[in-house]
Amino acid sequence: EPEVTQTPSHQVTQMGQEVILRCVPISNHLYFYWYRQILGQKVEFLVSFYNNEISEKSEIFDDQFSVERPDGSNFTLKIRSTKLEDSAMYFCASSETGVHQPQHFGDGTRLSIL
Amino acid sequence: RKEVEQDPGPFNVPEGATVAFNCTYSNSASQSFFWYRQDCRKEPKLLMSVYSSGNEDGRFTAQLNRASQYISLLIRDSKLSDSATYLCVGRGSQGNLIFGKGTKLSVKP
Repeated sequence: EPEVTQTPSHQVTQMGQEVILRCVPISNHLYFYWYRQILGQKVEFLVSFYNNEISEKSEIFDDQFSVERPDGSNFTLKIRSTKLEDSAMYFCASSETGVHQPQHFGDGTRLSIL
Repeated sequence: RKEVEQDPGPFNVPEGATVAFNCTYSNSASQSFFWYRQDCRKEPKLLMSVYSSGNEDGRFTAQLNRASQYISLLIRDSKLSDSATYLCVGRGSQGNLIFGKGTKLSVKP
């Protein structure tokens, strides 16, 4: 069964550094998403991406964050000048078409900011 | 009112028991609905979509009541492998998923 893949599985970074989290969505999917989950808390939406542009973003997704689809397969989340509170699991998801299609999640990147 | 609210549990049940989870939602999370399960420190995995007519998938039955803004999940004949956190999920108008905090289920032998 096709799946969303994310790399790295764990990223440890010094506060203030930049990180790039990578995702390869399912190949025929058109909608891409990033979510995060702080330990012990609920999953929170960050941003959605369609047709090479952001279609929706949450208030969490401020100027510190950016997303890119640099080629036909990768979808990246960049976090500039990381803060301690950015420590979380970051999940990438994709869906085939349309707003009502279920989203399939990658197994996440655990980001630890020291 | 929170967008998606769930009883956090934990629900501790013996194998073979029937267990029901409930969830309420606000208007901002009402485009469509899903149940996901999440094992400890793993990604959410889609369990089933939820339709107004109700839907069943093996031992799992989901119901949606739009008038009451209420969603339920029923698990029959629970297995040890059903132990997980069950996430009630709504959808915003732009397609983003809106998660509840989850209900933890422990099935004991």
